[in-house]
Amino acid sequence: AQSVTQPDIHITVSEGASLELRCNYSYGATPYLFWYVQSPGQGLQLLLKYFSGDTLVQGIKGFEAEFKRSQSSFNLRKPSVHWSDAAEYFCAVGTGNQFYFGTGTSLTVIP
Amino acid sequence: DAGVIQSPRHEVTEMGQEVTLRCKPISGHDYLFWYRQTMMRGLELLIYFNNNVPIDDSGMPEDRFSAKMPNASFSTLKIQPSEPRDSAVYFCASSFGTANTEAFFGQGTRLTVV
Repeated sequence: AQSVTQPDIHITVSEGASLELRCNYSYGATPYLFWYVQSPGQGLQLLLKYFSGDTLVQGIKGFEAEFKRSQSSFNLRKPSVHWSDAAEYFCAVGTGNQFYFGTGTSLTVIP
Repeated sequence: DAGVIQSPRHEVTEMGQEVTLRCKPISGHDYLFWYRQTMMRGLELLIYFNNNVPIDDSGMPEDRFSAKMPNASFSTLKIQPSEPRDSAVYFCASSFGTANTEAFFGQGTRLTVV
């Protein structure tokens, strides 16, 4: 069965520090992978996606993610976090006709 | 396009009442998804439609929940009767094609059942 694991429920980083959010998936075939961000009171917005090709994908707001097949991972990174990045981040796998979401990682940014 | 539009944004209702949540997907999208988000269970897929036809409703928690999509531009999620444990944020999302494309989410309906 397909599943997505985000092992970190909550992360706190200082503004300007680097960020890495972890995501592991379980899926038999080549997955379609996504990262979404949810600001308070808002819906989910797509940050980036991986379908095939270059395993390092660039997204909006300075985010990037790297697909590592050997580790079944799709970690999200940002070299320098801004206070406006504080939000909930969701990793998702697209398979067949559905999207499977992780439980999310809440990011707090401190000055 | 204005994106996926959900109404109402907030709903407070008494236990036992009927609640109807509405969704207008992005024009041209052929998949529509209903999700429920709670602190305890995260994002749960309730049901999804393809070309207005329900494909998988295995995530619908109980018979009290029902969803319809009478046409390509409108869907409803109904809870009858509502219970306090139904309190959650309900999201509608739409996409064009299968899961190799992104899903576009509405802003959600925050439902509180008292």
